[in-house]
Amino acid sequence: GDSVTQTEGQVALSEEDFLTIHCNYSASGYPALFWYVQYPGEGPQFLFRASRDKEKGSSRGFEATYNKEATSFHLQKASVQESDSAVYYCALSDSSGSWQLIFGSGTQLTVMP
Amino acid sequence: DPKIIQKPKYLVAVTGSEKILICEQYLGHNAMYWYRQSAKKPLEFMFSYSYQKLMDNQTASSRFQPQSSKKNHLDLQITALKPDDSATYFCASSQTGFNERLFFGHGTKLSVL
Repeated sequence: GDSVTQTEGQVALSEEDFLTIHCNYSASGYPALFWYVQYPGEGPQFLFRASRDKEKGSSRGFEATYNKEATSFHLQKASVQESDSAVYYCALSDSSGSWQLIFGSGTQLTVMP
Repeated sequence: DPKIIQKPKYLVAVTGSEKILICEQYLGHNAMYWYRQSAKKPLEFMFSYSYQKLMDNQTASSRFQPQSSKKNHLDLQITALKPDDSATYFCASSQTGFNERLFFGHGTKLSVL
């Protein structure tokens, strides 16, 4: 079945550092790809999505580009802030036609002042 | 104001009992979902509903039964509770369904003793 792999379980950075969280997927066709962010005590919040090869999604300074060849959708931000500390999830729409989103295992980002 | 209301926020139950998790959304959406988050599986799809009709069920156990009395309600009944059911249950909604961004509630944290 379809799957999403996030390489980093935890990332620790200082403010103004550059962020990359790796996301690779396994699916047939062209699934839609998503990034969500979850703060403590809350549900996940949509960041952005992309649904075509080479399409860039972006929001709040975060961005990722759909790479069909590399089956990747890596999250990046040029300069992180302490308020960006949260858990980030990569997700894809199930290529079988099911309505489920398949989430990666999540990456805990901690940004120190 | 939260647009997706989940009640209760915390729930403690004894093994073998039955509980109902409440979800109401005020976004005017036509599709609703349940997801489960636990230490073993970060975000796991359970059900999807569209116009009060079950679209997809990825829950192996019949102990989990969604109930939709109105278009903006999707409750989750769990019977014969087990300690393994301990998790945070998130209700979500989207405008129409497949491939869309999801809006999540704050979750109900269930602990089964």
